[in-house]
Amino acid sequence: QITLKESGPTLVKPTQTLTLTCSFSGFSLSTADGVGVAWIRQTPGKALEWLALIYWDGGYRYSPSLRSRLTITKDSSKQQVVLTMTNMDPVDTGTYYCAHHSLNAGAFDVWGQGTVVTVSS
Amino acid sequence: IVMTQSPATLSVSPGERITLSCRASHYIASNLAWYQQKPGQAPRLLIFGASTRAAGIPPRFGGSGSGTEFTLTISSLQSEDFAVYYCQHYNNYTFGQGTKLEIK
Repeated sequence: QITLKESGPTLVKPTQTLTLTCSFSGFSLSTADGVGVAWIRQTPGKALEWLALIYWDGGYRYSPSLRSRLTITKDSSKQQVVLTMTNMDPVDTGTYYCAHHSLNAGAFDVWGQGTVVTVSS
Repeated sequence: IVMTQSPATLSVSPGERITLSCRASHYIASNLAWYQQKPGQAPRLLIFGASTRAAGIPPRFGGSGSGTEFTLTISSLQSEDFAVYYCQHYNNYTFGQGTKLEIK
């Protein structure tokens, strides 16, 4: 059974860097069938916004609109994926999810519960 | 690629058959997924490959389409189906803006 769980600060100040950790189990991110882990966010009242994705082989992709602010890394031995987002702004307030990118489905087949991040001074 | 969903909100009664639409601004073959999100919950994958139900999804949920036009059909709405539905192009991972199903 695949599970994912997000962790990180609930409150960050404007201009600070946000670091979120996704801890997962039920698959390996060091073999091809593990495929990848993605980060997605949802700002208040808004739709879902894909942020970044890291593949089992270390390859990655970023949202073009946020590319300059994002870094995604993985530690397969710890079964963790870390997302950093620089220069946080109040408009970045929202719920941040990590999700498993499925080999078979091509989509995000299992999601974490999400973690709420508020950006405020 | 921009994903456009319609309508934004749909008011329906339990037992009705409904169809939600998703349009891609460019050709995306069958690389489309549908998700359901209930308040306070993470999204749940319903459909991938435009028409394949994910594990554990009831058969009342059906997806169709290819290219640029896609639909999600719920054959007989149950009370637990009232939620927001998103489509996603999973080559560039773009989501549509969602369709909210509300009780009439």
